[in-house]
Amino acid sequence: EPEVTQTPSHQVTQMGQEVILRCVPISNHLYFYWYRQILGQKVEFLVSFYNNEISEKSEIFDDQFSVERPDGSNFTLKIRSTKLEDSAMYFCASSFGQETQYFGPGTRLLVL
Amino acid sequence: AQSVTQLDSHVSVSEGTPVLLRCNYSSSYSPSLFWYVQHPNKGLQLLLKYTSAATLVKGINGFEAEFKKSETSFHLTKPSAHMSDAAEYFCVVSESGKLVFGAGTILRVKS
Repeated sequence: EPEVTQTPSHQVTQMGQEVILRCVPISNHLYFYWYRQILGQKVEFLVSFYNNEISEKSEIFDDQFSVERPDGSNFTLKIRSTKLEDSAMYFCASSFGQETQYFGPGTRLLVL
Repeated sequence: AQSVTQLDSHVSVSEGTPVLLRCNYSSSYSPSLFWYVQHPNKGLQLLLKYTSAATLVKGINGFEAEFKKSETSFHLTKPSAHMSDAAEYFCVVSESGKLVFGAGTILRVKS
């Protein structure tokens, strides 16, 4: 069964450094998403991406964040200058239409 | 804005007994509702979804949920808990393509 994959599974970085989180969505899906879950808090929507552009973003998704689909398979989330409060589990998801989203296993980001 | 409220942060059941995880939603129109499960150190797996077809929805692993508009509820049930059901369960509503998550319910299954 096709699945969403994410790399790396864990990343530790120093405050102020740039990180890129990578996702490979399910191959025929058209919509792509990033969510995050800070430890002990709810899963929160960050951004959705369709037709090579952002379709919606939350207020969390400020200028420090960007997304890209550099080729036909990868979908990346970049955090330009990480802060301590960016420490969280980041989930990528994809969907064919705007209904059911399928999630990857997540990347646990720790900012020191 | 749409929202979901999971009424219990923790539920503990004995193996072989029924499971009930409660969820209430707030929506101004007919919502799309989902239950996702997260096992320890794993991603979010779709259990089932309601999208305005049958009000009783069957999912994987013997779980089902009933959409009750009059009660604005979408409770998750399973007749007989298995040890492998121990996980965190999220009730989720779709709002214009983005998902809004509840706070989660941790299910503990005792042997």
